[in-house]
Amino acid sequence: EAGVAQSPRYKIIEKRQSVAFWCNPISGHATLYWYQQILGQGPKLLIQFQNNGVVDDSQLPKDRFSAERLKGVDSTLKIQPAKLEDSAVYLCASSSDRGRVGAFFGQGTRLTVV
Amino acid sequence: GDSVTQMEGPVTLSEEAFLTINCTYTATGYPSLFWYVQYPGEGLQLLLKATKADDKGSNKGFEATYRKETTSFHLEKGSVQVSDSAVYFCALSGGSSNTGKLIFGQGTTLQVKP
Repeated sequence: EAGVAQSPRYKIIEKRQSVAFWCNPISGHATLYWYQQILGQGPKLLIQFQNNGVVDDSQLPKDRFSAERLKGVDSTLKIQPAKLEDSAVYLCASSSDRGRVGAFFGQGTRLTVV
Repeated sequence: GDSVTQMEGPVTLSEEAFLTINCTYTATGYPSLFWYVQYPGEGLQLLLKATKADDKGSNKGFEATYRKETTSFHLEKGSVQVSDSAVYFCALSGGSSNTGKLIFGQGTTLQVKP
């Protein structure tokens, strides 16, 4: 079974630029998560989708971050404009049962904002 | 709200030593509990899980028991190897929010020396 795919693996941008990350979840997984992991901290949920509907986006900085999951499969997370404090690893994960028996994570995208 | 607290690291052990990483949680309802492991430069991998009180999760020599009376889910391994060096995260889902949101602790770094 293929795992969660993310791209790109690394991205370096200047502050105030925009960036987009892509995620392809495990086939058949209805729940998709985007997490932000700042160095030395645990992952923090940015947004959770169930199929193509948003379940939780309470910690998403909506003035600069946006995410969509068209057709309930792939998802894109965008930051516009980026700030220095957005430097982090962005992790995508998917689950077949709303996380009850766990979620499976991609390798993440390491974003550096300079 | 729900939360997870882990013992601070780094934890440094010699090969073949006994490992314990403490994890306690705060949640209403009946959450599922997880341990994830993150090797350098990689995403999170689900190590083990327990979905109800008194369940014991186990994998690759690691184990943890869901203790509702002490709200704990401590990770143990009888004999660690250098290859176990990684960051370990305790997490829960299905607590009071019941949306399937995964809530993580801050992570504990394990260093195993030959």
